[in-house]
Amino acid sequence: SQTIHQWPATLVQPVGSPLSLECTVEGTSNPNLYWYRQAAGRGLQLLFYSVGIGQISSEVPQNLSASRPQDRQFILSSKKLLLSDSGFYLCAWWSGELFFGEGSRLTVL
Amino acid sequence: ILNVEQSPQSLHVQEGDSTNFTCSFPSSNFYALHWYRWETAKSPEALFVMTLNGDEKKKGRISATLNTKEGYSYLYIKGSQPEDSATYLCAFIDSGGGADGLTFGKGTHLIIQP
Repeated sequence: SQTIHQWPATLVQPVGSPLSLECTVEGTSNPNLYWYRQAAGRGLQLLFYSVGIGQISSEVPQNLSASRPQDRQFILSSKKLLLSDSGFYLCAWWSGELFFGEGSRLTVL
Repeated sequence: ILNVEQSPQSLHVQEGDSTNFTCSFPSSNFYALHWYRWETAKSPEALFVMTLNGDEKKKGRISATLNTKEGYSYLYIKGSQPEDSATYLCAFIDSGGGADGLTFGKGTHLIIQP
């Protein structure tokens, strides 16, 4: 069966520091992968999606970036975090519906 | 930007009572409507994927209806139990069909009080 994992689960970072969140999927090949964010008081916002290795589409301009170095690996990064980057980040893959990872709570201080 | 609205934002219900809440979405270019349940400390999980006007789906005590012509879906919970406490998200997909077109509402936060 397919599983999706993301880490770390929680992190507290100072403004201006870098970020790397990682997501991996098992049990499927060539999945469509997604990064969502839920900021306080807002709905789930699509940040990036990828339909294959090296293929990244950005939905929202921001200081975040995403990469897909391997078929089942999706990474969310930032070189310099802003306070507004705080939120709950979810990785997901699509198979007729979205299957979500466990989530990563980021607090930028 | 697609407008997907959920109401109410939060809801307190006594255990054993039934409840319902609403998702409204654009009535044009409809492709699908998803409902997800997001329990605390867990990931969101899909409850229903609805594609046809007039669809009614049921899973145990939870059911959903869909009206694509007027752009709304209702989620019903019969005989609420503490384990139903969660945030319920709806997500609209327009006729593009891919998950990149999936727009989420802000959710209804349901608390079941014993």
